[in-house]
Amino acid sequence: GENVEQHPSTLSVQEGDSAVIKCTYSDSASNYFPWYKQELGKRPQLIIDIRSNVGEKKDQRIAVTLNKTAKHFSLHITETQPEDSAVYFCAAFMDSNYQLIWGAGTKLIIKP
Amino acid sequence: GAVVSQHPSRVICKSGTSVKIECRSLDFQATTMFWYRQFPKQSLMLMATSNEGSKATYEQGVEKDKFLINHASLTLSTLTVTSAHPEDSSFYICSAAGLTYNEQFFGPGTRLTVL
Repeated sequence: GENVEQHPSTLSVQEGDSAVIKCTYSDSASNYFPWYKQELGKRPQLIIDIRSNVGEKKDQRIAVTLNKTAKHFSLHITETQPEDSAVYFCAAFMDSNYQLIWGAGTKLIIKP
Repeated sequence: GAVVSQHPSRVICKSGTSVKIECRSLDFQATTMFWYRQFPKQSLMLMATSNEGSKATYEQGVEKDKFLINHASLTLSTLTVTSAHPEDSSFYICSAAGLTYNEQFFGPGTRLTVL
C-alpha cells in the first residue's frame, strides 16, 4: 500500500526566514497531495494542495512543488511569521480507495 | 470550504461506559465520511471509512465491535466507543468527502478522556 514519509519531524527557523518540509510517497498511482496545518487541539486545515499534473503551485507565502519522477513533494513557506508555528502534515491520495495517507507531521517553530 | 460539525467537542467518562460522537456535514451531502484518531504528538490514524447506507470499512487493528460506526444519512455519521477504557482516550476527528473524494473537510474533533 501507499506509504508517506515526512521530514524533518521538527523544524525551527528564525522569523522572516524560509521553511521547507519534504515528503516522499511510494505509490506512483497517487494523484493528489494536500498539505494541512494543525494547531494544538484543533482540526487540520488545508493550506495548499497540488495535483499530479502540476509541478508547482503558489499561494502568497506558501508554495508546493511536486516531482513525480522522484515521488516527492515539498512545502515551502517564505517570510515566516509567528503564526506559522504549528504542526504541518503532508498527505497523498489515491482514487482507487479514496483514502488520504498521512505523513507523520512536522512541528514548525518560528523563533522571534 | 464546506462545514463539518462534530459533537461533543469534549467528553470525560468512566471506564466501561459507551460514548457516542456525531459528525455532521452542514452544507453538503457527504457520501463518504472518515473517522480518525490522533494521539498526542502523532499523526492522524484512519480508523474507518464510512459510506452512507453500507457497513463501514475498518482499518487493520481497529476493532469494529468496539468502535461502532453508523452512517444513516448523507449528512450524519456516528462513532460509538463501546466499553471505553483509559487507553481509548484520544482526539477523534471525522472528515467528510464532498463532490471530489480527494477533498476532505474535517470536523473540529472530540477530545475523549476515559477515567
